Amino acid sequence: NAGVTQTPKFQVLKTGQSMTLQCAQDMNHEYMSWYRQDPGMGLRLIHYSVGAGITDQGEVPNGYNVSRSTTEDFPLRLLSAAPSQTSVYFCASRPGGTWTGELFFGEGSRLTVL
Amino acid sequence: GESVGLHLPTLSVQEGDNSIINCAYSNSASDYFIWYKQESGKGPQFIIDIRSNMDKRQGQRVTVLLNKTVKHLSLQIAATQPGDSAVYFCAENNFGNEKLTFGTGTRLTIIP
Repeated sequence: NAGVTQTPKFQVLKTGQSMTLQCAQDMNHEYMSWYRQDPGMGLRLIHYSVGAGITDQGEVPNGYNVSRSTTEDFPLRLLSAAPSQTSVYFCASRPGGTWTGELFFGEGSRLTVL
Repeated sequence: GESVGLHLPTLSVQEGDNSIINCAYSNSASDYFIWYKQESGKGPQFIIDIRSNMDKRQGQRVTVLLNKTVKHLSLQIAATQPGDSAVYFCAENNFGNEKLTFGTGTRLTIIP
């Protein structure tokens, strides 16, 4: 199994451009989420999904959109990129059932907005 | 808002010694506390978790201690190895939902 796959690994955007960070998992996990990681700060939750067709906001949702049309995919969209969105983005998933605290993370997508 | 913080941003430990990484939390209502390890260029990897009704939990070479009185969490790594070099994050969670609150991380460096 590939686990959680994120693409692209690196991206440079100009202010105002739009793009989509892709996330796919092949573990049939019910829950998926997006975090951003900035220097000197812990990971912060952007959006999450508890199942296909269901999404909700996390701690820092402004400037980002998500959708969950299938169990496998959870793309993160930046509609108009800003320099403040320069960060490393991590997608994570977990199975349903009893919460153990274990999230399965992808390897990250490093985004630079100029 | 509530925050999860770490006492030390960096920690250097001799190979073979035990490591102790500390974490302070402020939300007394948190139900779960989790430790993650992040190696350079990779995503965080789950190490161990502990529920608020426990004081101690052991895994393979790791022990997590929870002191609810002073809102303190620690991760002990026994017989530290070069592969333990990484950034370690603590995180807290309420009600088993998706909203994990992460600390800022401690970088553990192993001295050969």
